[in-house]
Amino acid sequence: AQSVTQLDSHVSVSEGTPVLLRCNYSSSYSPSLFWYVQHPNKGLQLLLKYTSAATLVKGINGFEAEFKKSETSFHLTKPSAHMSDAAEYFCVVSRADKIIFGKGTRLHILP
Amino acid sequence: NAGVTQTPKFQVLKTGQSMTLQCAQDMNHEYMSWYRQDPGMGLRLIHYSVGAGITDQGEVPNGYNVSRSTTEDFPLRLLSAAPSQTSVYFCASSKTGMATNEQFFGPGTRLTVL
Repeated sequence: AQSVTQLDSHVSVSEGTPVLLRCNYSSSYSPSLFWYVQHPNKGLQLLLKYTSAATLVKGINGFEAEFKKSETSFHLTKPSAHMSDAAEYFCVVSRADKIIFGKGTRLHILP
Repeated sequence: NAGVTQTPKFQVLKTGQSMTLQCAQDMNHEYMSWYRQDPGMGLRLIHYSVGAGITDQGEVPNGYNVSRSTTEDFPLRLLSAAPSQTSVYFCASSKTGMATNEQFFGPGTRLTVL
């Protein structure tokens, strides 16, 4: 069985400071892991994905995530937040045709 | 390329009414999926299709029907709408399996059932 837990429903950071959005997963087999972003009233857009290649994955807009098997984590980070990063972020775990979305983390950027 | 398009953008139904949400993609993707998004719940998979003529159930299929007669189109039918189906519905497509490939999402349909 697969599951995914996003540890924070809301995160607030000041513009120019680092961003950390936390995601833990559970999977019986080696999963694929994704982060998607959803800006207000929009569809979802892929930020990055892990599919058993390099454990440090770089995505769009300066985001990256590290796959840590021992900790079953796939946390999303960005060194310096920008106002345009304000959005909801979803961690996703999948294998075969089973796909599970986390409940989302809403990122607030303070000026 | 228009990508993934959905119509309508907004819809209000009365309990018991039926309707079809339309989804189309112009990227020649084999996989297409329907999700619903509810506050604090993330996205949940309703139905998906791995190619024309082939569909399967996702996590929350009850009350919804789908068919896939062409590669481009994947309509979602609500047979008898219920207030519990009030939600935002997203259609997505991917080149091959959604488990390892990027999914491209439409802009969504906001459905209210009174």
